[in-house]
Amino acid sequence: DIQMTQSPSTLSASVGDRVTITCRASQSISNWLAWYQQKPGKAPKLLIYKASSLESGVPSRFSGSESGTEFTLTISSLQPDDFATYYCQQYNSYPWTFGQGTKVEIK
Amino acid sequence: EVQLLESGGGLVQPGGSLRLSCVASGFTFSSYGMSWVRQAPGKGLEWVSDIRGSGIVTYYADSVKGRFTISRDNSKNTLYLQMSSLRAEDTAEYYCANYYDRGGYYGKFDYWGQGTLVTVSS
Repeated sequence: DIQMTQSPSTLSASVGDRVTITCRASQSISNWLAWYQQKPGKAPKLLIYKASSLESGVPSRFSGSESGTEFTLTISSLQPDDFATYYCQQYNSYPWTFGQGTKVEIK
Repeated sequence: EVQLLESGGGLVQPGGSLRLSCVASGFTFSSYGMSWVRQAPGKGLEWVSDIRGSGIVTYYADSVKGRFTISRDNSKNTLYLQMSSLRAEDTAEYYCANYYDRGGYYGKFDYWGQGTLVTVSS
């Protein structure tokens, strides 16, 4: 199985900060990587797919990038609505696997 | 508007069975693969099972293989998960999610339901 390692597990930031979350795959997944946002008591929401493609309707302050097996989600200017938990997910091969999540908290 | 509505969760004893349902609307159901993804209380996301649009091809996580069965009824726009031999570690919120049934889109979860809670306890 492909292991997805996310860091950090928790991140404290202020409104307006630039935030970066990293996800590393245990083997090559090409660019078959998605990012999801989950708020407490809610279902996950797709933000980014194919490593850097922005899902329709998602604010442009969210962006994704890749370098080999390392993937990054960046929020350019953190907004109050962005405090949530973020998960990466590989969909290169079964079983689909998720990172352990990064909780973005208010500083 | 895409909607996915899960039901069927509840409290069940270890070793028991339960069937979850997910009713879909707002998209051409047979053109989409469907997945079940679960989340134990306070934990991360775990993919459970997949079924392609035709209903013929299915996949399972090792943790549920042989105990869970995924199926779908395209005439009713409904996805199912039959769960048997349930264990305490199966306790979780179970979400259904869809993905476009075409190469390059498998596993990219476009929409998720709100979830149904399964609790396995005596």
